This record gives sequence, C-alpha cells and structure tokens, in this order.
Amino acid sequence: DSGVTQTPKHLITATGQRVTLRCSPRSGDLSVYWYQQSLDQGLQFLIQYYNGEERAKGNILERFSAQQFPDLHSELNLSSLELGDSALYFCASSSMGETQYFGPGTRLLVL
Amino acid sequence: AQSVTQLGSHVSVSEGALVLLRCNYSSSVPPYLFWYVQYPNQGLQLLLKYTTGATLVKGINGFEAEFKKSETSFHLTKPSAHMSDAAEYFCAVSEGGYQKVTFGTGTKLQVIP
Repeated sequence: DSGVTQTPKHLITATGQRVTLRCSPRSGDLSVYWYQQSLDQGLQFLIQYYNGEERAKGNILERFSAQQFPDLHSELNLSSLELGDSALYFCASSSMGETQYFGPGTRLLVL
Repeated sequence: AQSVTQLGSHVSVSEGALVLLRCNYSSSVPPYLFWYVQYPNQGLQLLLKYTTGATLVKGINGFEAEFKKSETSFHLTKPSAHMSDAAEYFCAVSEGGYQKVTFGTGTKLQVIP
C-alpha cells in the first residue's frame, strides 16, 4: 500500500460526458502528479501540482483539467469524453520530489 | 530535455535465469534514475533509485541496477528469475528536486517455468 488513494476504482460513462477523478496523496506529500496509461500510448505524464499550484504540464488535452485543493487532495476533470480517453488514470505523490508513490489507479471506460 | 529508452518491450527468461532489462537515458544534468514495477491491475511501485553516491543500487525483491555514466545506462538485473517477477518494468529519469519524471515505454517480463 503506497498511501495514495484514488476514487473511484472503475468508471463507465458515455461519450460526451464529464467525469471527475479524485486523488488523496500520502500524508505530508505536497506534490501530486497525474498520468494516463493506455495500451497504445503507454504511460503519459499529464500534469503536476505542488502545494496547490500547477508546476508542470505534459500531454494533457484542453478537455482535461486538474486542481489541487488546500487539503492537498487533487481532482482530474475529463470533459467531452471520447472513446480514446478510455484508459487507466494514475495519481502519484511525492515529498522531496524524487520518488513518486503511485495510487492504484482509476480505470475509465468510455462507451 | 531528458529522455529514456528501454530496449525490448517484451523479455522472456526461464525461471532461475538471469534477468537483464536495459535502460538508456539522456539528461543535460546529472540524472536521478528509477526503476518501477507494475503488476497486473496495480499501480507502479518503486524498485530502486539512484540519486548520488554508489553507482550500484540494490532494490527490493533481489533486483539491482548500476549507473554507468559513460554508457548513459541504468540496466536492471536479478541473478535468478522467479515466477513472481512477471510484471512490467519502467525505467525513469528526473533532474532531481520537483522536476518532472520521464518514464520509458516499459518492458514486460515473462518468466517461463
């Protein structure tokens, strides 16, 4: 158990819909990272937050957005969903910035 | 910009044989290097990491990796494969601190009984 929690574990929705994925980092970790893992594109870094502020952006679509709240939990919002957005979405957290601890992921299926 | 190349998307070894998973990196500054393992339907778990100091790093489950600056490599090895080692392995590089970590494309390890 990494100490990072993600909800929900599974999510099934339809094209065009909007969903929110939630992540609670390890106690004391200030940094949160979001990744997308799919069969065709592998593990893709989406975005990083540090203590509430956006720190780095990766291959995140404009339809996707994220935020980190004062209690340090983070949410990833995915809107206007397409079939190709079906993937595993991981959250990771870190304290000193070196080692990232990954949550169990949210499996999103868009039908 | 930093990057990671993992040679071989699939590697098969016999149980008890040497495991060697290859990773080469590119970084403009002294890198921080990581190996993560992902078991089916689970998140990534840190196996080992190199930041500074001793170039031979020992990790969990009997794995180790050696940082070779001259070869820009950080290959992962284990003397004797076990069935439970079957998983996907990711090499990653960072410039340290809170800098972005770049992951390789992963290598799926199959262990044949």
